[in-house]
Amino acid sequence: DAGVTQSPTHLIKTRGQHVTLRCSPISGHKSVSWYQQVLGQGPQFIFQYYEKEERGRGNFPDRFSARQFPNYSSELNVNALLLGDSALYLCASSLGYPDTQYFGPGTRLTVL
Amino acid sequence: AQTVTQSQPEMSVQEAETVTLSCTYDTSENNYYLFWYKQPPSRQMILVIRQEAYKQQNATENRFSVNFQKAAKSFSLKISDSQLGDTAMYFCAFMHLSYMKTSYDKVIFGPGTSLSVIP
Repeated sequence: DAGVTQSPTHLIKTRGQHVTLRCSPISGHKSVSWYQQVLGQGPQFIFQYYEKEERGRGNFPDRFSARQFPNYSSELNVNALLLGDSALYLCASSLGYPDTQYFGPGTRLTVL
Repeated sequence: AQTVTQSQPEMSVQEAETVTLSCTYDTSENNYYLFWYKQPPSRQMILVIRQEAYKQQNATENRFSVNFQKAAKSFSLKISDSQLGDTAMYFCAFMHLSYMKTSYDKVIFGPGTSLSVIP
C-alpha cells in the first residue's frame, strides 16, 4: 500500500508570497496532521484534521491555515511568507484519533 | 505541559554492535503513547517502535527494543546488531491519549539524537 504522499518535494518562494502544500494520507486514514520541522530541531505540531474538521491547532500565527477534502487529502496554506517559515513541512496520517501517526516525506520550503 | 528530552545530541556505534539512545519525558497524564521515530538523510520520518503507557511489557521490533520505566519517565531505545542503514536522526516522541470530543492528537518530539554507524 502507498504511504503518505506530499507535493511538491521542495519549493522556493520569496518573502510576502503565499504557498500551498498538499498531502494525501494512507488509504483508509481519515486524519491528517501537519508539522513544521526547522533545521536541527524536532517537528512542531501545526494542525490536525479529522473528517474534514479542524481538531486542533498548535502555536502558529493565523497566516497558517489548512483544510481537508472529502477524499481526506489536505492542503496547508501559508500567507505572507517570512524568512522564518523556511522549514521541512511534514504531513502525517492516522486511522482516527487517538492513533499512531505515519509521516510523509515532507516538503522542503525555502523562503528568500 | 508535556516535554521530551534527549540528552545525547550525537552518538556513534560500530557496525554489528549494540547502542542505547536515552529519552526522558515529563507529563502528568497517565494514558499516552511513546514513540521512537527515525529520520535518515532522505528526511522521511519513519516509525521505529511504539509503547503504550498502560503496558508493562517493553515493546520489541526485530533489532529494536525499548526500556520503558514509567515511574522514572524514561524511555530508551536499544538497537542491536547495528547496520549502516541505521544511520539517522532518532526522535523520541510523546502523545497523550484522550477520547474526549474536544481532544486532538499532538505528537511532541524531543530534539533528536544523531546516530552514526561506523563500518
